[in-house]
Amino acid sequence: GAGVSQSPSNKVTEKGKDVELRCDPISGHTALYWYRQSLGQGLEFLIYFQGNSAPDKSGLPSDRFSAERTGGSVSTLTIQRTQQEDSAVYLCASSLSSGRVNEQFFGPGTRLTVL
Amino acid sequence: AQSVTQLGSHVSVSEGALVLLRCNYSSSVPPYLFWYVQYPNQGLQLLLKYTTGATLVKGINGFEAEFKKSETSFHLTKPSAHMSDAAEYFCAVSANTDKLIFGTGTRLQVFP
Repeated sequence: GAGVSQSPSNKVTEKGKDVELRCDPISGHTALYWYRQSLGQGLEFLIYFQGNSAPDKSGLPSDRFSAERTGGSVSTLTIQRTQQEDSAVYLCASSLSSGRVNEQFFGPGTRLTVL
Repeated sequence: AQSVTQLGSHVSVSEGALVLLRCNYSSSVPPYLFWYVQYPNQGLQLLLKYTTGATLVKGINGFEAEFKKSETSFHLTKPSAHMSDAAEYFCAVSANTDKLIFGTGTRLQVFP
């Protein structure tokens, strides 16, 4: 079956612009995770959803970052007023349900470059 | 708090040689431990995981890892490296939450 898909695969934007990154999880997966992979910080957790609610947003680096999930499926990560330090690969993962025993399946990521 | 340390950001081996990638963790509760592999321009793929029970865990592509509580380690090994094993490898821990805490990764190069 289809895996986790993310769009766009690459995004180049100017400092100060807003961007939206999209994640389509595996069908039937109720848990969805966002991570960020950057040269200076490695792989960091951002936020996770169980259904449409976000029990853990502790990794969002600032109030410029927000995420939502609708219909228990697609999720959008929005970065407002982008800064150069936001440049990174944003990875989305989904799992059958929440709980650490469930494998997280990762998408290919969106590479964001802020000029 | 949980953390993961991967010793060696780069490891180089010859084809056919033993692969050993080191991972040490810190966790205040019994951890679940994972190894993921990332090929260029791709997402992460799970190699293997330890939850409970048998401490020697076998994964895909001939990799295995052993959970050693006394050493707080979860090193990844493969007896004989193949060119296709060249990739970046991440160790991760999950304690009492759903999120994964990753190490900084080890890039494996395999020389012919």
